[in-house]
Amino acid sequence: GAGVSQSPRYKVAKRGQDVALRCDPISGHVSLFWYQQALGQGPEFLTYFQNEAQLDKSGLPSDRFFAERPEGSVSTLKIQRTQQEDSAVYLCASSLWQSGLSGNTIYFGEGSWLTVV
Amino acid sequence: AQKVTQAQTEISVVEKEDVTLDCVYETRDTTYYLFWYKQPPSGELVFLIRRNSFDEQNEISGRYSWNFQKSTSSFNFTITASQVVDSAVYFCALSEGDSSYKLIFGSGTRLLVRP
Repeated sequence: GAGVSQSPRYKVAKRGQDVALRCDPISGHVSLFWYQQALGQGPEFLTYFQNEAQLDKSGLPSDRFFAERPEGSVSTLKIQRTQQEDSAVYLCASSLWQSGLSGNTIYFGEGSWLTVV
Repeated sequence: AQKVTQAQTEISVVEKEDVTLDCVYETRDTTYYLFWYKQPPSGELVFLIRRNSFDEQNEISGRYSWNFQKSTSSFNFTITASQVVDSAVYFCALSEGDSSYKLIFGSGTRLLVRP
């Protein structure tokens, strides 16, 4: 597709349930990012991949959060034993080159809206 | 420490008015990037502009203009002759040279343009 695609768009999970959120970056994009956006707040960085390598996972809030990008394309963010505080929009983003280079624009998807009840 | 402050939580204007969204940032790096993104109700963050710390030239793109002032650590965004379609949440963001892949966002300004 033309943009970053995320699924599911909406997910309601019962507390304690595991969830998996999928991201299809723009074709050919080297860098992939996950951000978490709580209601009424700006997005916060979770993790960064360059191809299949996870170069930074410092933003993952706990060991219940796990992200992977095994073939350097599609990525999955997994949350185990969900809790109410995990309710947020999870945004995926991608960019063409390794991040930080001048001219490297980061493109975001529409997000996966997770509600934990 | 790095930080982005958008002091205006919500702004309401009537169509055709000009409106300025404020952004103040904090960083110790000499190399950094500043961004503005628009988030319509659909949720997608739409890229508007990126500026690096060595380029203080103001920029105009149609009805949008940006004023970057290092002396006041501000990167303000002005919409001229606002339209209803401009209604959205606008985020200012910062990334620093050492970890320029990591965007630090402000809390956003919700802009409502009334017909």
